[in-house]
Amino acid sequence: EPEVTQTPSHQVTQMGQEVILRCVPISNHLYFYWYRQILGQKVEFLVSFYNNEISEKSEIFDDQFSVERPDGSNFTLKIRSTKLEDSAMYFCASIKDSSNEKLFFGSGTQLSVL
Amino acid sequence: DAKTTQPNSMESNEEEPVHLPCNHSTISGTDYIHWYRQLPSQGPEYVIHGLTSNVNNRMASLAIAEDRKSSTLILHRATLRDAAVYYCILRDYGRGSTLGRLYFGRGTQLTVWP
Repeated sequence: EPEVTQTPSHQVTQMGQEVILRCVPISNHLYFYWYRQILGQKVEFLVSFYNNEISEKSEIFDDQFSVERPDGSNFTLKIRSTKLEDSAMYFCASIKDSSNEKLFFGSGTQLSVL
Repeated sequence: DAKTTQPNSMESNEEEPVHLPCNHSTISGTDYIHWYRQLPSQGPEYVIHGLTSNVNNRMASLAIAEDRKSSTLILHRATLRDAAVYYCILRDYGRGSTLGRLYFGRGTQLTVWP
């Protein structure tokens, strides 16, 4: 079965540094998402992306966050200046089209901010 | 999105059926019932969803009460690989809520004993 691929699986960074988390959604999917899960907490929605623009973002997704689809295959989440509280597992997800709301999630990138 | 209530944890023996309950007494007529699961160190994985009628797929069955205030995810023969957190999520298709935005609760941690 096709998969959403995320790289790296683990990322360690210093507070204040910029990080870019990368995702390759399933190739014929049109809708893209980032979710995160702080250790021991719920999975939380960050942002949805369709037709090269943000469809919706949560209150977590502040000015420090941005998303981009730089080419036909990659979907990235950038955190401009990381904070300790950004430490979490970040999941990328995608949906094929609006008639099918089955979300496919990647295995996640564990971000540790020191 | 309307709230769901699930037990924090459940246990089962391998090869036995598992019935995971979910209460959603405030469900509206346009809410679909979705189930996802999250295996250890993995992203959430779609299991099944339905509106009013019971649903079956290769992974599980979904039994929906006649009044739709509760539902049950049925794993017909639990395997060790089914040990995961199972999330019952309501999705409102009718009020313009964003496609793919899911509100995860704490879910039910299913332990499967060999």
